[in-house]
Amino acid sequence: AQSVTQPDIHITVSEGASLELRCNYSYGATPYLFWYVQSPGQGLQLLLKYFSGDTLVQGIKGFEAEFKRSQSSFNLRKPSVHWSDAAEYFCAVGALEYGNKLVFGAGTILRVKS
Amino acid sequence: GAGVSQSPSNKVTEKGKDVELRCDPISGHTALYWYRQSLGQGLEFLIYFQGNSAPDKSGLPSDRFSAERTGGSVSTLTIQRTQQEDSAVYLCASSLVASGDGPFFGPGTRLTVL
Repeated sequence: AQSVTQPDIHITVSEGASLELRCNYSYGATPYLFWYVQSPGQGLQLLLKYFSGDTLVQGIKGFEAEFKRSQSSFNLRKPSVHWSDAAEYFCAVGALEYGNKLVFGAGTILRVKS
Repeated sequence: GAGVSQSPSNKVTEKGKDVELRCDPISGHTALYWYRQSLGQGLEFLIYFQGNSAPDKSGLPSDRFSAERTGGSVSTLTIQRTQQEDSAVYLCASSLVASGDGPFFGPGTRLTVL
């Protein structure tokens, strides 16, 4: 069965510090990988996605993620966190073989302290 | 351009009533998804439409739930005889699979069943 694991439910970082949010997946097909961000009371905003090619992908708001097939991981990074990055982050996996429907992780809540 | 829109933004109903939730996808997007987000359940896939293909209904939790997509554009999710456990945020997303554009999510409809 397809599954996505985000091991950290909460993460707190200081403003200006670097950030890494972890995502691991179990998928029986070549995956497409996504990161979304959700602020309170808002919908999901697409940060970045990986379909193929370069395994390091750049997204909006200064985020990047690296696909590591050997580790079944797609970790999200940002070199310097801003207070406005405080939100919930979701990793998701999809594949053509499974009709492109996305399987989401449980989310990681990011808190930024000043 | 315009993103995915959903209406109403909030819906309060009484147990046993029927409700209809509407989704307007991004123009030209051939794929449309419905998800449900609730505390403790995370983001659950409900149904997926792709072009003229038969929809993937594998995520619908019961036969009280149905969805249609008219003219390959607007979609309506209908919940009959609502129950309190149907209370959640219902999210719609659209994508253009061929180009890898999206999926992009709408702001959601918050459904409360009293």
